[in-house]
Amino acid sequence: QSVLTQPSSVSGAPGQRVTIPCTGSSSNIGAGFAVNWYQQVPGTAPKLLIYGNINRPSGVPDRFSGSESGTSASLAITGLQAEDEADYYCQSYDSTLSGSVFGGGTKLTVL
Amino acid sequence: QVQLQESGPGLVKPSETLSLTCTVSGASISNHYWTWIRHSPGTGLEWIGYIYYRGSTNYNPSLKSRVTISVDTSKNQLSLWLSSLTAADTAVYYCATWDYGRYWYSDLWGRGTLVTVSS
Repeated sequence: QSVLTQPSSVSGAPGQRVTIPCTGSSSNIGAGFAVNWYQQVPGTAPKLLIYGNINRPSGVPDRFSGSESGTSASLAITGLQAEDEADYYCQSYDSTLSGSVFGGGTKLTVL
Repeated sequence: QVQLQESGPGLVKPSETLSLTCTVSGASISNHYWTWIRHSPGTGLEWIGYIYYRGSTNYNPSLKSRVTISVDTSKNQLSLWLSSLTAADTAVYYCATWDYGRYWYSDLWGRGTLVTVSS
């Protein structure tokens, strides 16, 4: 059971917009700790996609955006492309654990 | 550029202790926080623990009794030990940087090393 909750799967057609929610609690997202998002293509290391709730590292397309409100966060992907098919994980810091916590991951399928 | 490379045995027996090394190249291990994370198909990503180059550590409570992380600044390496292994510890193990105290993200990862626990 992951500390952060994500849907196990989402899907969308090419060109469409999808969102992936991430729900936490008062000891992590709700406490103001930043939410980060990673993209993981099977067989490769996770890649940082969004950090600090809304920031994109250099090289990440602006089709990817993040938001945060209360005890939840969300990753939005617009203009879906076949190459976006991957697993997506949210991550934050938890004050109870004094460490990093991840969501269970969401598999994005591009139809 | 900065690169991280994990190394260790691919196969270990149940009840044994796993030892992994992460070699950092292109940057000094000093003045940074480092973390170990593992990934298994059924569990997803799981934070194992972190270490500061001066030696301070903290571990995932679910693994705390079995895990030790250390750093060797002379070799620019960090190490992970995980004892009393079971099949549930079968995973790809990654070392990564950690943005401690601000955004808490890991932006640089090793390629990972697959560890299978089996007799």
